[in-house]
Amino acid sequence: GQQLNQSPQSMFIQEGEDVSMNCTSSSIFNTWLWYKQDPGEGPVLLIALYKAGELTSNGRLTAQFGITRKDSFLNISASIPSDVGIYFCAGQGGGSNYKLTFGKGTLLTVNP
Amino acid sequence: GAVVSQHPSRVICKSGTSVKIECRSLDFQATTMFWYRQFPKQSLMLMATSNEGSKATYEQGVEKDKFLINHASLTLSTLTVTSAHPEDSSFYICSAGDRDAYEQYFGPGTRLTVT
Repeated sequence: GQQLNQSPQSMFIQEGEDVSMNCTSSSIFNTWLWYKQDPGEGPVLLIALYKAGELTSNGRLTAQFGITRKDSFLNISASIPSDVGIYFCAGQGGGSNYKLTFGKGTLLTVNP
Repeated sequence: GAVVSQHPSRVICKSGTSVKIECRSLDFQATTMFWYRQFPKQSLMLMATSNEGSKATYEQGVEKDKFLINHASLTLSTLTVTSAHPEDSSFYICSAGDRDAYEQYFGPGTRLTVT
């Protein structure tokens, strides 16, 4: 099936640094979602974006829905050790198409 | 709010047997539930979409007779892996959406190991 291009694949940063990751697609999506997954657990919804150009924050997390509807980015500011995990972007077609298409994930490691 | 549970969290079964995994939305009614499979270090791959009271819609390449899905109520969907084989060993995750299903909330996953 269709997949999103998510980058970077992995990141190693120091505690306190800011992080940015993004997803691009050849297709338009009506909704973008960002999830975090810890080992052995299901993904947890971080931010949902519904409108092109929308910029939404959730604590230290900020995400934007690209104007073209084909991309989105997630920023994490002032990273802390518990930010470690895999971050997935997901696009949703909209209308009656509720299926999510996932990116391959970004593995984030934060060194204390 | 928006809590989804799965049971069991881990299961080990012998090749040829069947295993049932339950997915429940605890504090909302889920008209649509989704079943995913995730192999190690890979992303989530959608297996099927389950709508309450109707037949599930399977993704291409997913055998409907092998992965039986039942969504009998607005809070419960089940996935039965029939005649399991070692290659079916994986992490199975369900998600549930409310009426609009724009925001999907995931269960904690079920680790299936077939010996």
